[in-house]
Amino acid sequence: GENVEQHPSTLSVQEGDSAVIKCTYSDSASNYFPWYKQELGKGPQLIIDIRSNVGEKKDQRIAVTLNKTAKHFSLHITETQPEDSAVYFCAASSNYQLIWGAGTKLIIKP
Amino acid sequence: EPEVTQTPSHQVTQMGQEVILRCVPISNHLYFYWYRQILGQKVEFLVSFYNNEISEKSEIFDDQFSVERPDGSNFTLKIRSTKLEDSAMYFCASSLEGPNQPQHFGDGTRLSIL
Repeated sequence: GENVEQHPSTLSVQEGDSAVIKCTYSDSASNYFPWYKQELGKGPQLIIDIRSNVGEKKDQRIAVTLNKTAKHFSLHITETQPEDSAVYFCAASSNYQLIWGAGTKLIIKP
Repeated sequence: EPEVTQTPSHQVTQMGQEVILRCVPISNHLYFYWYRQILGQKVEFLVSFYNNEISEKSEIFDDQFSVERPDGSNFTLKIRSTKLEDSAMYFCASSLEGPNQPQHFGDGTRLSIL
């Protein structure tokens, strides 16, 4: 079945700098890749998603890139702000199930 | 903005007891899901539900689990005889179309089995 690996587990960046989180997946049939942000005590919130027919998608300070050949996708956050501090999860849709990465705790240092 | 609501926010239950977790999905959504997140671990898919029947389920979703949409608004997860290892956050989600569409999550129910 599908397996999603996510790195790093913790990422600490200076406010205003960029953050990059990377994920790899194993099932070449996966075709939908969402990213979720989870704040303490809250459910996951969808922040951006990408489909397998697209290589890159951007929404203001957030962008996602997908390399189908290498089976990896990445989340890029530019000009980080304190409110970006949270746990971020990548996921891949395989056999109509969302398979999740282990999460990245993003810490924004003032 | 419409949201998924879950009740209760925290449920404490004795091992072996039955528990029902409740969810109200977004009103015009057609697909409903339950996920589990054990403390500090990744989110795990349990089950998806469409047109009043289970469409997909994971290996975790064994005979102790069941789902139901008892009326036009609620979506429930029942665990028949809880075990210690059922302690986790349980998230409900819904989407307008299938699993390859944006899924919107509730804030979860923390289930503690004593």
